[in-house]
Amino acid sequence: QKEVEQDPGPLSVPEGAIVSLNCTYSNSAFQYFMWYRQYSRKGPELLMYTYSSGNKEDGRFTAQVDKSSKYISLFIRDSQPSDSATYLCSLPQGAQKLVFGQGTRLTINP
Amino acid sequence: DVKVTQSSRYLVKRTGEKVFLECVQDMDHENMFWYRQDPGLGLRLIYFSYDVKMKEKGDIPEGYSVSREKKERFSLILESASTNQTSMYLCASSSGDNYGYTFGSGTRLTVV
Repeated sequence: QKEVEQDPGPLSVPEGAIVSLNCTYSNSAFQYFMWYRQYSRKGPELLMYTYSSGNKEDGRFTAQVDKSSKYISLFIRDSQPSDSATYLCSLPQGAQKLVFGQGTRLTINP
Repeated sequence: DVKVTQSSRYLVKRTGEKVFLECVQDMDHENMFWYRQDPGLGLRLIYFSYDVKMKEKGDIPEGYSVSREKKERFSLILESASTNQTSMYLCASSSGDNYGYTFGSGTRLTVV
């Protein structure tokens, strides 16, 4: 079983829609969860991180962790064409190492 | 304000060549990483380094080596390039304080 699994999509939604991106993970010891965003022909950039369970909000983005289900989500409200990118969930694999999901390619259509 | 710089955006090399991919960071980060990114497989860790002259194998080190002679520079070496090493290579760095990585823009390597 992979440590973290993510549906690669692609996912295409109209502008203004609420987007839900999800990952599942296998190791219940994980405490720190991250989302990276990767635009085409660029490296990933850290979008949000959360520690332990619960929600964290940053503008139109909300990261949610459900440790009982080993499920993490990223919600995007009022989605914009500029949100079109690949979104990768990420969890620590060990001291300072990260393991990444496959990434979900998202397209927001004007 | 470029923070992690990879020397080449695109490279085309021949099978059997020795290939050097260079990465430089200007944030005084202790940790540096090399990943490759392939469709359907995501990001896979090749090698990483926590300090100068120190290196650790990641999940897929076969066919690769690394060098870190200075804190700011981490080089990935393909000893004898093969077609299955055609990929996007991403370098990243992080401080010891948190897990936030800063990535370079990537090098798309094609081995023919």
